Amino acid sequence: QVQLQESGPGLVKPSETLSLTCTVSGASITSSSWSWFRQSPGKGLEWIDYAGYSGSTSPNPSLKSRLSISVDTSKNQFSLMLNSVTAADTAVYYCARRCPCDRGFFDYWGQGALVTVSS
Amino acid sequence: DIQMTQSPSSVSASVGDRVTITCRASQGINRWLAWYQQKPGRAPNLLIYAASSLQSGVPSRFSGSGFGTDFALTISSLQPEDSATYYCQQAESFPITFGQGTRLEIK
Repeated sequence: QVQLQESGPGLVKPSETLSLTCTVSGASITSSSWSWFRQSPGKGLEWIDYAGYSGSTSPNPSLKSRLSISVDTSKNQFSLMLNSVTAADTAVYYCARRCPCDRGFFDYWGQGALVTVSS
Repeated sequence: DIQMTQSPSSVSASVGDRVTITCRASQGINRWLAWYQQKPGRAPNLLIYAASSLQSGVPSRFSGSGFGTDFALTISSLQPEDSATYYCQQAESFPITFGQGTRLEIK
């Protein structure tokens, strides 16, 4: 059974960097594609990016200039960093696996990590 | 970006009812559409992918249809555990985008 778990600070100050890690179990991170999403009351579900070996692969243009993605195959983890955060970045952040069933669909998700941007 | 518009935004129905939720894309997306169910405090759960393919483990009362710009999710016989918010998602082009959600309430 594939499982994903997000981890990281739940509170980030404005203008600082949001950092989250997704730890994958039950599957090798090299066997699939992995992604980040977020969900806020104001904007609903929002795609962030795929995590590729070289980092960001398909970033949401609205976040691209502030986004950094990395993959650590030795730890079976991938990470998200979003800099210069504002209150608009407050959301539940999810990591997910792209379904091998077909392109661009997501079959396993983490439980979500609430990140609040506030001083 | 491709805009996804769901209707209705909320629906209330009784156990055993047939319920249909629709999703319209702002441009053609072939069959690259998924439906997710989300319960409060939980992550989205993939129900349907490629417009009409049932994800493994999802009850057969859920079905999807459509192609191009107009799609539908149908629950053939509503069960109490189907109370949730449902989202469509397009995978035709980046950025991947979602509908705004349809809240389904059981009467």
